[in-house]
Amino acid sequence: QSALTQPPSASGSPGQSVTISCSGTSSDVGGYNSVSWYQQHPGKAPKLMIYGVTQRPSGVPDRFSGSKSGYTASLTVSGLQAEDAADYYCSSYAGSNSFVVFGGGTKLTVL
Amino acid sequence: EVQLLESGGGLVQPGGSLTISCAASGFTFNTYAMNWVRQAPGKGLEWVSTINFSGDTTYYADSVKGRFTISRDNSKNTVFLQMNNLRVEDTAIYYCAKVHITSPRTYDCWGQGTPVTVSS
Repeated sequence: QSALTQPPSASGSPGQSVTISCSGTSSDVGGYNSVSWYQQHPGKAPKLMIYGVTQRPSGVPDRFSGSKSGYTASLTVSGLQAEDAADYYCSSYAGSNSFVVFGGGTKLTVL
Repeated sequence: EVQLLESGGGLVQPGGSLTISCAASGFTFNTYAMNWVRQAPGKGLEWVSTINFSGDTTYYADSVKGRFTISRDNSKNTVFLQMNNLRVEDTAIYYCAKVHITSPRTYDCWGQGTPVTVSS
């Protein structure tokens, strides 16, 4: 069982927006502004999409945005495109004992 | 261009040992902490271990503590993961990952992964 809780699946039609949630506790998501989101296509390595809750690395489209409220972080993908179909994982710093914890992943389907 | 290239994965029997490597290029290796993250077949990501830039501080997930050892050779831009007393549940793709320059708990570059299969 993963430390952070994500919905197993999400979907949307091209052009629509979809939001994926990532729930944790005061020891991880709620305690630090260190939430990241990764995109993983089948058979590929993960790719960083969001870090520091809201920051986008260079090269990541601004259709991807992150936020956090309390113990829950969210990734929003606006203007869905076919290539956005992938697995998405959240992660958070969880202190010096647990270090970094991941969510179980959400499979995003573009209908 | 930042590149991470893992090697050394393979098939090993339960209780056996294996050392995997990650060769880095395209960045100043000796100024970044490095990490190993694994993904069991059909499962999610799991942080395994972190080593600081100089190699004198290491961190481990509880699931591997006492069995795995992370190390680095800054003269060869390489990070290692020595895995002892391997268990079936250690079967996974092992990714090497570099930390982000301003967010050290974020992994901004990943290798392609090396598969480790523990089976009799």
